[in-house]
Amino acid sequence: EAQVTQNPRYLITVTGKKLTVTCSQNMNHEYMSWYRQDPGLGLRQIYYSMNVEVTDKGDVPEGYKVSRKEKRNFPLILESPSPNQTSLYFCASSTRAQETQYFGPGTRLLVL
Amino acid sequence: AQSVTQLDSQVPVFEEAPVELRCNYSSSVSVYLFWYVQYPNQGLQLLLKYLSGSTLVKGINGFEAEFNKSQTSFHLRKPSVHISDTAEYFCAVRNYGGATNKLIFGTGTLLAVQP
Repeated sequence: EAQVTQNPRYLITVTGKKLTVTCSQNMNHEYMSWYRQDPGLGLRQIYYSMNVEVTDKGDVPEGYKVSRKEKRNFPLILESPSPNQTSLYFCASSTRAQETQYFGPGTRLLVL
Repeated sequence: AQSVTQLDSQVPVFEEAPVELRCNYSSSVSVYLFWYVQYPNQGLQLLLKYLSGSTLVKGINGFEAEFNKSQTSFHLRKPSVHISDTAEYFCAVRNYGGATNKLIFGTGTLLAVQP
């Protein structure tokens, strides 16, 4: 089954404790991105990647890092999480030519 | 810069009534338009999309949307809603032929269907 998976689905952590949210897709998509969803703000793009070893900032990249060492994986790294990063995070993927992005199930993060 | 406006943050409606969720966008270039649905505690699912051609597009679950270029709108409609349609609906745009596949989302509209 074609899908985008994220782990963990739920995470509670404390300020300053490094964490990684994994994202994997099995559709051989070149393009992957991370969004955060906050009430009243919709979804905003954090980072995106056009292909392996090619990443760039989205609209709200501060406090986040990403890497794209393999085509299928696009982890989101929070080196020193802060409470304002409490949010619902979505990973998405698509082919470069394709207009439809496929979204993962989301990761709900709470930073205390 | 592109932007998407969903003026209604919540739309309460009775079951079997028709509904329209409004979406307006702003862009200096041609765009692709999308509606995504998010059911409670779930991820985003594509409802329908406009790429080109007929301005009336049909999606899943009986929803349809009409692209109006002169009014820069892409309103979502359903003639008769069900309780199961209760969800948050997001309108999104993407540059036609842009360098990235970045989606710009609206702030969402919560459709609350009541019996």
